[in-house]
Amino acid sequence: EVQLVESGGGLVKPGGSLRLSCAASGFTFSSYTMNWVRQAPGKGLEWVSSISGTSDYIYYADSLKGRFTMSRDNARNSLYLQMNSLRGDDTAVYYCAALGAFGAFFESWGQGTLVTVSS
Amino acid sequence: EIVMTQSPATLSVSPGERATLSCRASQSVNNNLAWYQQKPGQAPRLLISNASTRATGVPARFSGSGSGTDFTLTISSLQSEDFAVYYCQQYRKWPPMYTFGQGTKLEIK
Repeated sequence: EVQLVESGGGLVKPGGSLRLSCAASGFTFSSYTMNWVRQAPGKGLEWVSSISGTSDYIYYADSLKGRFTMSRDNARNSLYLQMNSLRGDDTAVYYCAALGAFGAFFESWGQGTLVTVSS
Repeated sequence: EIVMTQSPATLSVSPGERATLSCRASQSVNNNLAWYQQKPGQAPRLLISNASTRATGVPARFSGSGSGTDFTLTISSLQSEDFAVYYCQQYRKWPPMYTFGQGTKLEIK
């Protein structure tokens, strides 16, 4: 059974940093492109970033403007999101999600971790 | 940038009836479109990929159609567990980008 478990969320002040993690199990992690998708309270879904299986390709939503860095450790079956210069509009539940075979759609999701940016 | 617009924002339907949800892309996405279901406090769940292919375990009452810019998710006979928020999502291959619609809330009438 595919399992994705996020951690690392919490309360952080504006301008602060936070590192999210996602532990994967139940599938060959290194073969899958992984993603972060976020959802602000009461709002819709927003794709944040994507990383290929071997970390050769990493892409980010234009709105992030270089503040976030995504990485992975295939030996540990883990995914990471380093978030810097956090702002109030970064407040959201952050989900890690695996793309399916076609690399176009999010087939598996974690339960999410809440990041709250507030003074 | 491709914008995905879903309508209506809220749809009220009685159990047992048919629900039809729409998603329109600002330019053609071919059939690179998915539908997700999200219940309160839960992660989204993939229902439909490639505009019309049901994901594993998705009941046959869910069907997707469309191509290009106009897409439809139809739930043929609503069950109580189907009341949720539904999102469409398009995929751009290069450089990769994934864009969601703003969602349609399907509520009990």
